Amino acid sequence: GEDVEQSLFLSVREGDSSVINCTYTDSSSTYLYWYKQEPGAGLQLLTYIFSNMDMKQDQRLTVLLNKKDKHLSLRIADTQTGDSAIYFCAERRTTDSWGKFQFGAGTQVVVTP
Amino acid sequence: GAVVSQHPSWVICKSGTSVKIECRSLDFQATTMFWYRQFPKQSLMLMATSNEGSKATYEQGVEKDKFLINHASLTLSTLTVTSAHPEDSSFYICSALWALAGTDTQYFGPGTRLTVL
Repeated sequence: GEDVEQSLFLSVREGDSSVINCTYTDSSSTYLYWYKQEPGAGLQLLTYIFSNMDMKQDQRLTVLLNKKDKHLSLRIADTQTGDSAIYFCAERRTTDSWGKFQFGAGTQVVVTP
Repeated sequence: GAVVSQHPSWVICKSGTSVKIECRSLDFQATTMFWYRQFPKQSLMLMATSNEGSKATYEQGVEKDKFLINHASLTLSTLTVTSAHPEDSSFYICSALWALAGTDTQYFGPGTRLTVL
C-alpha cells in the first residue's frame, strides 16, 4: 500500500510490556522513526533505526525492523502511566524530497493501573 | 539540543482576520522546516516545506495564497493564515530539520491551537 499503517489503539496494564506495530511502504527507506505525542503537545522523537539494523535498544525502548516484510515495531518495557500517548512511526522514503517523512496515523496507547 | 519553539501556543481570532504563527529553532540552524496541520484524533497532514531564502513548496490541495510561509532566517519560519475562517481552526505544528547521527531528522515544535470564531 501507499500509506504507513499502524493499529489505532492499544490498552496495556502498568508494568506490562507494550508493543506497537507499523508497516511502512518503501523497502529502500533508509531511516525509520518513532515519535510520541502527548495531548495538546508536539511530537517528541523517541528513537530511530537505520535500515541496515535489525534491532535497536535504548533503555526501555526496543525497536525491531523486518525489512523483508517492511514491518517496524516499538516495544516499551515496564510501561508506566506516563507512557500514555499517541505513538507515530515515520519513514523517509527514497522517492521523497530531502527531509520529508511519511507518518502513520498514530497508535493511541492507554496505560491502566 | 534540537529545541523548536512555536508562538503563540494558542490563538483565538475572528473570521476574516489574519494570524501569524512563528516557528523557531532555538539551539540550531535549520535551512528546512515543515508545517503540518492536525485534526483531532488524526495524523499529521503536511502542508508545506519551508526552505530558508526560497519559496515554500506546498503540498497538493494546500492554498498557497491562504497559508503564507516565510523562512527569512536560519532559525525562523512563519505561517500566516490569511482571511481565516472557522474551517481553518486546527492544531498547527512545525518541525525543523537537524542532523542526528549523520542524517537530518525532524524535530517538532509544541504546536499552536488556532480557533477561528
